[in-house]
Parts: sequence; structure tokens; C-alpha cells
Amino acid sequence: EADIYQTPRYLVIGTGKKITLECSQTMGHDKMYWYQQDPGMELHLIHYSYGVNSTEKGDLSSESTVSRIRTEHFPLTLESARPSHTSQYLCASSRGQGGRETQYFGPGTRLLVL
Amino acid sequence: GENVEQHPSTLSVQEGDSAVIKCTYSDSASNYFPWYKQELGKRPQLIIDIRSNVGEKKDQRIAVTLNKTAKHFSLHITETQPEDSAVYFCAASDDSGGYQKVTFGTGTKLQVIP
Repeated sequence: EADIYQTPRYLVIGTGKKITLECSQTMGHDKMYWYQQDPGMELHLIHYSYGVNSTEKGDLSSESTVSRIRTEHFPLTLESARPSHTSQYLCASSRGQGGRETQYFGPGTRLLVL
Repeated sequence: GENVEQHPSTLSVQEGDSAVIKCTYSDSASNYFPWYKQELGKRPQLIIDIRSNVGEKKDQRIAVTLNKTAKHFSLHITETQPEDSAVYFCAASDDSGGYQKVTFGTGTKLQVIP
């Protein structure tokens, strides 16, 4: 079944650790996104990609990096986690061909940095 | 860039009453306006959308209206039910340039009181 998958779903980690949040989609979509969201609150775009080898920074400076080596894979890396990074991270994808641009979201990763 | 304002931030209604959520956007080039519903602990999901060549769209108890001149659009939920309780996000995007970015509103937490 076409879907968006995120791992891990929950992560508790100490300050200063390097972490990678995984996102994969089997939707066949070109565009992918990372959002940071405190529960029930505003969606903050932190990175997006138009396709392979394309990455752009979003509106929120999150001290993270992304890569897009494969169409279906869009991992997010925090080089040095801080308590301010505690939040939920949502990955999304969309068709990217213009016109109707519905975004499909993954289940999210809840991150707690101690 | 695009700026989307959403009001109210919280809304409580009695079951059976109607709920209205309003959004305004700043970029007159925006031409696609989706609405997402995020239930507690779940991922955001598209519930209805409207393109700029249409003034109103309806799907059962949900309707969206668009006023391009005033640059505002609204979500209307009639005969509200407890399962309508969620956070609702409006969004705006422009696909005329080929690479469009979706800008989300800040969200409205709707509580339907049984």
C-alpha cells in the first residue's frame, strides 16, 4: 500500500548526540518535506526537496540537514541534539507536478532531548 | 513570500451547531487552497480543497468558500459531531511557477461539545 513511513516513531536522546530521522515514501512523489510541530500547534517547514539531489531550507532554522539521494528517501539529521529540538517531526510528500498539490503526511517522530 | 493568517485559534461549539474557520492570504498569485484535519495524535489529512477558479465547494457537511478579491477563504462545518473535534489547518499555494511551496495557517483547535 502506498504510504509514508517514518522511523523511529519515538526517540529519547541526550544532548549533543547526532541523530537521523528516517522518512521513506512509496507514493511515487517527487516533492518531500520536513515539518516541526509541537503537538496540535503550527506546522513549521524546516526543509523541502523538489526531487533527487534537490534540497531547500524552509522557514524555520532548525540546525538540521537533509539529503535526497533517492526519490523515495529523505532523511533528516541533527548533528548535535539540544533540548530545544524536542518536538514532533513530520515528513510529507506531494506529487510535485503543479496543479493540485495535496501533501501526504507520515505518522511523525516524537523526539525528546534530555 | 506568502503569509496565511487563520482565525480563531480555538473554537468550541455544541454538537449539531455549525463551525466556521477563516483564513486570509497575502499572495494574489496563490491559486490552490487545501484544508487539513489533524486529530489528536494523528497525522494531518486533507479533507477538502478549492482552486481559485471556483468560489465554493461542498462535500457532505463540509464546505469551503473562496473570495479571491478579498484574499480570504473559509471552512464551514455544519451539524458538527464529536468526531469533528480536531485541529484544522488551512493552506495556500501557487503552482504557476512550476515549483510551488505550500504555506500553512497556524491552526484552529475545534472542540465539539456533546
